[in-house]
Amino acid sequence: EAQVTQNPRYLITVTGKKLTVTCSQNMNHEYMSWYRQDPGLGLRQIYYSMNVEVTDKGDVPEGYKVSRKEKRNFPLILESPSPNQTSLYFCASSLSTSGGEETQYFGPGTRLLVL
Amino acid sequence: AQSVAQPEDQVNVAEGNPLTVKCTYSVSGNPYLFWYVQYPNRGLQFLLKYITGDNLVKGSYGFEAEFNKSQTSFHLKKPSALVSDSALYFCAVRDYGQNFVFGPGTRLSVLP
Repeated sequence: EAQVTQNPRYLITVTGKKLTVTCSQNMNHEYMSWYRQDPGLGLRQIYYSMNVEVTDKGDVPEGYKVSRKEKRNFPLILESPSPNQTSLYFCASSLSTSGGEETQYFGPGTRLLVL
Repeated sequence: AQSVAQPEDQVNVAEGNPLTVKCTYSVSGNPYLFWYVQYPNRGLQFLLKYITGDNLVKGSYGFEAEFNKSQTSFHLKKPSALVSDSALYFCAVRDYGQNFVFGPGTRLSVLP
């Protein structure tokens, strides 16, 4: 089944404790992206990646890191989480970003609480 | 900078009536426009998109949207609403850059 998976789905942590949220897609997509969803703000893009070893900042990159060492994986790293990073996080992927193939497929989300 | 506005936080409609969820955008150049739907405790699902061509775009589950360049709008419509259409709807835009901007979302409630 074609899908985007995220782990963990739920996470409670404390301020300053490094964490990683994994994202994997099995559709051979080039483009991957991370969003956070907050009430009244919709989804805001954190980072995106056009392909392996190519990443770029979205609208709200502060406090986050990403890497794209393999085409299928795009982990989100919070080196020192803070309470304002409490949010619902979504990973998404698309075949490409041109030629009508821009449709993004979303993972189920990761709900993060930073105490 | 590109932006998306969804002027209504909540839209209520009776089952069987037509529904409209509004979206306006601001982007330099020609926009790529999208509608996504989010059901409770689920990720976003793609409904439809406008890249080029006909201004009226048909998508999944009987939804359609009309691109209006002069009004910079991309309203989502359905001729006859179902209770199962109740969900959170997001409009999104992408320009020639590679990042996407989503609107704040509109919660649609279809009343039986």
